[in-house]
Amino acid sequence: GESVGLHLPTLSVQEGDNSIINCAYSNSASDYFIWYKQESGKGPQFIIDIRSNMDKRQGQRVTVLLNKTVKHLSLQIAATQPGDSAVYFCAENRGTGFQKLVFGTGTRLLVSP
Amino acid sequence: DGGITQSPKYLFRKEGQNVTLSCEQNLNHDAMYWYRQDPGQGLRLIYYSQIVNDFQKGDIAEGYSVSREKKESFPLTVTSAQKNPTAFYLCASFGGYGYTFGSGTRLTVV
Repeated sequence: GESVGLHLPTLSVQEGDNSIINCAYSNSASDYFIWYKQESGKGPQFIIDIRSNMDKRQGQRVTVLLNKTVKHLSLQIAATQPGDSAVYFCAENRGTGFQKLVFGTGTRLLVSP
Repeated sequence: DGGITQSPKYLFRKEGQNVTLSCEQNLNHDAMYWYRQDPGQGLRLIYYSQIVNDFQKGDIAEGYSVSREKKESFPLTVTSAQKNPTAFYLCASFGGYGYTFGSGTRLTVV
């Protein structure tokens, strides 16, 4: 079936810690994955993406790892800040000719000062 | 600045009423989407449009309708047939460097 799931619904960390948010996906044919950050009452904000021909991609303070063997995706946030507190979604891009995003339920990241 | 504008930000609907949510983009994207988000949930696809004058049902299209008469506009109508319309609605477009989302409309049935 189609599903993109997350292992932890809530992750609490201290400011300055590194955060790791995990995501499992089920469709081995998916070729593009995106992490989004969503603050309350707002639309999703793009963080970082990765294509299936890569296993790691780095941005500013964020790294996405893709393990196609076990169909697992993770988002690592370095030196987490209070402003990072939000819900994080992974999304799996599917579609032949048509691009369709399938979202997971999200992980809430709480950063304590 | 290019982007997607959704209006209104908050909308209240009485039982039995149809309401229309606006979505406008100036990104010159061909593909546009409507998603629904319930509390503590991910986004679910309602309808999508790959090109002007064409649209397709997504995973939860029942009780909704759309039109795509212009490239820039993709309005969503929540009809009285939608039995549980209270939710956060997000519009998105795809093109160029990926997906862009609007800021959402929160619809509440009163």
